[in-house]
Amino acid sequence: GDSVTQMEGPVTLSEEAFLTINCTYTATGYPSLFWYVQYPGEGLQLLLKATKADDKGSNKGFEATYRKETTSFHLEKGSVQVSDSAVYFCALSEGYNFNKFYFGSGTKLNVKP
Amino acid sequence: DGGITQSPKYLFRKEGQNVTLSCEQNLNHDAMYWYRQDPGQGLRLIYYSQIVNDFQKGDIAEGYSVSREKKESFPLTVTSAQKNPTAFYLCASSIDIQAEGNRVGYTFGSGTRLTVV
Repeated sequence: GDSVTQMEGPVTLSEEAFLTINCTYTATGYPSLFWYVQYPGEGLQLLLKATKADDKGSNKGFEATYRKETTSFHLEKGSVQVSDSAVYFCALSEGYNFNKFYFGSGTKLNVKP
Repeated sequence: DGGITQSPKYLFRKEGQNVTLSCEQNLNHDAMYWYRQDPGQGLRLIYYSQIVNDFQKGDIAEGYSVSREKKESFPLTVTSAQKNPTAFYLCASSIDIQAEGNRVGYTFGSGTRLTVV
């Protein structure tokens, strides 16, 4: 079945460091891929998305490229800030039957000043 | 501004008691969802609804019930049959169950933290 695998956290970085959070997926069709961010005590917010192979999603300095050949959608940011500290979820949606999302287990990011 | 409102933000339940979590959206979205999140874990789907007066079980529906009498509302009842209800509950919605929904993604509420006392 469909699934999403994320790197385990927590990830701890100093401010201005480069961030990569790995995400790989398994899907039978042509999924759309998403990254969501969750700040403490809050719901999830859509960070970026890509709907087909080779698409690059970007928002707030974060980027992720839909790689069909490696079934990956890694999240990157060139220079993290303390305010980026949150939990990041990778997700996919097949959409052929119903709009069910498959979420990864989340990766907690801690950015230190 | 449109969005999803979950209430209350914090809820305490006594043993053997049923409680209902509210979820209201003014986005005119067709589909609504309930997820459960446990500490350090991902999201697990409880129930979802594609249309008014219809809903389907997700992966962990036992001990929960829902209704969808209005497009805007999708309340979740945590019954006494749910043996471990302490968790963070998230409601979400999407514009359409078919192709558009899967390209746009979900909109989430801010969650309800339920604790058994």
